Amino acid sequence: DAGVTQSPTHLIKTRGQQVTLRCSPKSGHDTVSWYQQALGQGPQFIFQYYEEEERQRGNFPDRFSGHQFPNYSSELNVNALLLGDSALYLCASSRRQGGTEAFFGQGTRLTVV
Amino acid sequence: GQQVMQIPQYQHVQEGEDFTTYCNSSTTLSNIQWYKQRPGGHPVFLIQLVKSGEVKKQKRLTFQFGEAKKNSSLHITATQTTDVGTYFCAGAKSTASKLTFGTGTRLQVTL
Repeated sequence: DAGVTQSPTHLIKTRGQQVTLRCSPKSGHDTVSWYQQALGQGPQFIFQYYEEEERQRGNFPDRFSGHQFPNYSSELNVNALLLGDSALYLCASSRRQGGTEAFFGQGTRLTVV
Repeated sequence: GQQVMQIPQYQHVQEGEDFTTYCNSSTTLSNIQWYKQRPGGHPVFLIQLVKSGEVKKQKRLTFQFGEAKKNSSLHITATQTTDVGTYFCAGAKSTASKLTFGTGTRLQVTL
């Protein structure tokens, strides 16, 4: 049983470009959350998707957008990249009901130059 | 907004010593979860606490949830080098709500 998988693992982009990160949740999970983790800090919540809709959103600008597909997989899109967007982007999947734990993927390390 | 603080930020212990990290939320929580992140890795779920005053043990690790459901602690007895990493608490206001991660405590263990 595969856990949460994210792609790509590493990415280098130039300021102003756009990026798409992908996440496949753990089998049986229907909710996907995205987090940004800057070096030496805790993960910061970006948004959560359930039933293909954004359900909750953290304090991130509209440049950050996402999507969830019928198979529960998800994408995170970031437009007009800034140097400060360089971070580890983590996807976490969980089951909506039951308040169960979140399983994290290995993350995508994004570097903006 | 909700804030979750952890102390200490960093602790360096000798193998065999005990270690404790404390987590405090600015708001009452529905549940609290603990994660461990090894250097270069991703957060790995350790445990979830739901009930007021709950205490759970996993081998050398003891987790507590405060009576007011605003604070929690993780205690490791007789640390080992394999315990090295950053420990995060993460609180949720409801079972379906987002997790707010604490600032983390980085544990270093030397022989």
